[in-house]
Amino acid sequence: GNSVTQMEGPVTLSEEAFLTINCTYTATGYPSLFWYVQYPGEGLQLLLKATKADDKGSNKGFEATYRKETTSFHLEKGSVQVSDSAVYFCALSDRSGGYQKVTFGTGTKLQVIP
Amino acid sequence: GAGVSQTPSNKVTEKGKYVELRCDPISGHTALYWYRQSLGQGPEFLIYFQGTGAADDSGLPNDRFFAVRPEGSVSTLKIQRTERGDSAVYLCASSKNREAGASYNEQFFGPGTRLTVL
Repeated sequence: GNSVTQMEGPVTLSEEAFLTINCTYTATGYPSLFWYVQYPGEGLQLLLKATKADDKGSNKGFEATYRKETTSFHLEKGSVQVSDSAVYFCALSDRSGGYQKVTFGTGTKLQVIP
Repeated sequence: GAGVSQTPSNKVTEKGKYVELRCDPISGHTALYWYRQSLGQGPEFLIYFQGTGAADDSGLPNDRFFAVRPEGSVSTLKIQRTERGDSAVYLCASSKNREAGASYNEQFFGPGTRLTVL
């Protein structure tokens, strides 16, 4: 079956530091890949996505590239802010059955300190 | 706003009781999903509705769990004879029908219902 493995947290960084959160996946076929973010007290939000190999998803200064050869989708940001403190989930979905069944990783908590 | 709403936001119940959790999807979204998020884990798929029918209920953990969507809009997740292990945040998401040629339809998540079984 499908699975997603992401680095364990918490990750604590100083403001303006570089962020990488590693994510690898196992899937049959050609899944779409996502990063979701959950800010304190809020619901899950889609941060970025990539639907095919070599696609780069980007949003709010975050980027991730769909690497089929390494089955990875690492999240990066060049300069984090305190407001980026949240839990980040890597996820994939396949389209078997004609709908999106999303498989999530366990989440990585990011804390950015001033 | 017109996002996905879930009620109640918190539910505390005793072991063995019956609970219902409600989800109001975004208007016009035909697809509806339920997920369960245990502490320190990512959401896990429970069930998917397309319209009124449950197209995939393979994620429901056992027959104590049941969900309905009688009019193709609001959905209710029902848990009978609750157990302490059912304690989690239950998330609902909705999306549009996948457009022809589209590779993905974004799922919009509600804020969740935190269920605590004592």
